[in-house]
Parts: sequence; structure tokens; C-alpha cells
Amino acid sequence: GEDVEQSLFLSVREGDSSVINCTYTDSSSTYLYWYKQEPGAGLQLLTYIFSNMDMKQDQRLTVLLNKKDKHLSLRIADTQTGDSAIYFCAEMYSSASKIIFGSGTRLSIRP
Amino acid sequence: DTAVSQTPKYLVTQMGNDKSIKCEQNLGHDTMYWYKQDSKKFLKIMFSYNNKELIINETVPNRFSPKSPDKAHLNLHINSLELGDSAVYFCASSPQGTGNTIYFGEGSWLTVV
Repeated sequence: GEDVEQSLFLSVREGDSSVINCTYTDSSSTYLYWYKQEPGAGLQLLTYIFSNMDMKQDQRLTVLLNKKDKHLSLRIADTQTGDSAIYFCAEMYSSASKIIFGSGTRLSIRP
Repeated sequence: DTAVSQTPKYLVTQMGNDKSIKCEQNLGHDTMYWYKQDSKKFLKIMFSYNNKELIINETVPNRFSPKSPDKAHLNLHINSLELGDSAVYFCASSPQGTGNTIYFGEGSWLTVV
């Protein structure tokens, strides 16, 4: 079935690293994505990774993909207050040509 | 210029009314979508159009009728609004083909009272 799962909440101290985890079901997914949604705003694409990659780094963001376990993670280094948002994991569900989103992880930053 | 724009951003209306949300993209993309985000922030695809043709309809009630006059526009019309229709509706677009990133509009906050 179509399912992308994430934990709902994560709280980290400012300056620490945040790691948001996600599991997905479609083993034939070609692309996996991370989107960010700030309060009252739309979804902003943060980064994406092709299924033939294990890792992708973009400034403070590191994406790790474990295809065997169908596990995707997003690491945010040196987390800042501006990183407070909901982070959505998404997979391209290849058989139906649509993108399925997880429930979102609400990241809160404490001083 | 906004890549995917939708109007109105906020809409408050009474039960039973009919309303429309408009969406336009200036990215030259072939595929457009409507997603619904409920109060718990769950995001679900409703419809997908490719070059004005409906390709995905995710068991959405018949009261919801998308219309795509051209590939740059995908409007959503909702008849006989119900309380449960209150949500944020996001329009999005992507280039043709699988595996392409989708770009979202800012959302339309619909409240049915």
C-alpha cells in the first residue's frame, strides 16, 4: 500500500543537530523528497534524493537513504530557531505517478 | 513572480454554498495537482491533471470538480460545502513525467461554518 511514516514531533536544542526519520513502502520509488512548511505557509522543497544514491549533502542538510530498509532521514546541522517548521517526507509512488506525503514532523527548537 | 499562484488565500463560507479556488502556474509545467491538508496537517492528493487531462482522482466526493481550461490552470469547484471540507487546499505543478519535483502554491484556507 501507499504509506509514508514519520514521527509527529521532535524537539532539539538550538545549535544541536536535528535528525528527522521517515519510512516508506514503495520499493520502486525513484525519488524521495523533503519539504518544509512554516506556519501559515505553503510547502517548500528542501531537497530530494534519487533512489540510486545513499547520501546527499546540501549546506546544513544531509539526506541519508537506506533502500534496503526503506528508510530516509534528514539531518539539519546547527539547528536554528528559523528551522522551526513541519518537515514532510515524500516519495514518488512510481506505479501511479504521484507523490505521497508522510504525516509531517513538527520540529521545535528550545534555547 | 509567483510560480504557482492560487486564489483566494482565505475563504470563509456557509454550509451548502458552492465555491471555487483558482490556480495558475507560470512554470510551463505539464502536470498540475490539488492536495488537501487537514487540521492535523495530513496532506493527501486529490486530483492530478496532465496537459488538461485528468490522470488521478483519489476517491474524492463528486461535489469536488476540478477543471483545467489549459495546462497552466487548474481550478477546483466545490458544490454543497460541508463542515468537513474545511482544510487548506494546495495547488501544485510539476514537469511531465515521473520523478519530477512538484512545486506548491501558498495554499487556500477554506473554512466552512
